[in-house]
Amino acid sequence: AQKITQTQPGMFVQEKEAVTLDCTYDTSDQSYGLFWYKQPSSGEMIFLIYQGSYDEQNATEGRYSLNFQKARKSANLVISASQLGDSAMYFCAMTYAGNNRKLIWGLGTSLAVNP
Amino acid sequence: DSGVTQTPKHLITATGQRVTLRCSPRSGDLSVYWYQQSLDQGLQFLIQYYNGEERAKGNILERFSAQQFPDLHSELNLSSLELGDSALYFCASSPRGSEKLFFGSGTQLSVL
Repeated sequence: AQKITQTQPGMFVQEKEAVTLDCTYDTSDQSYGLFWYKQPSSGEMIFLIYQGSYDEQNATEGRYSLNFQKARKSANLVISASQLGDSAMYFCAMTYAGNNRKLIWGLGTSLAVNP
Repeated sequence: DSGVTQTPKHLITATGQRVTLRCSPRSGDLSVYWYQQSLDQGLQFLIQYYNGEERAKGNILERFSAQQFPDLHSELNLSSLELGDSALYFCASSPRGSEKLFFGSGTQLSVL
């Protein structure tokens, strides 16, 4: 069965440092998509980055990059130069072929950026 | 701002009552998805509509129903509410041909 695992319930990072949030996935499908979303304390769900299973290059969006290692089934989020506003919950999610973009979610990682 | 609009932002009601949550997708997006986020179950897909028609169903209770109107806005109706229905309900839309889902700011439902 398809599954997303985020093993870090909470992370701390110093402002201006880089941080990596882990995500592993399980699927037998060859075609799938991986997402990262940010949920600040205000509650909204903010799209950060997307990686398709057939994309050869790692996705990047500004300070966010996705370290996609297909053989290891990992899709780690790297945030460079952390800012105080990066403090939030971060969710990894996946869609797969035939599930029509229904997202399967991990349990999330709470990131705290210290000044 | 994702461009997806949800109202109301907060809703407080009593057990047994019925409520309606509203969602307007991003301009041009035909698909609308509803998700529920609760403390004990995390994020779960409820239902999807595409251009007015139901496309997929997830873990949606029979007490819950949804529809998408000709102007593409969608409503999620929750009836015979129970304490366990307290959750954050998200609506999302996606551009045609894209895998990306953009979420609204959610409706926080509290059933007392």
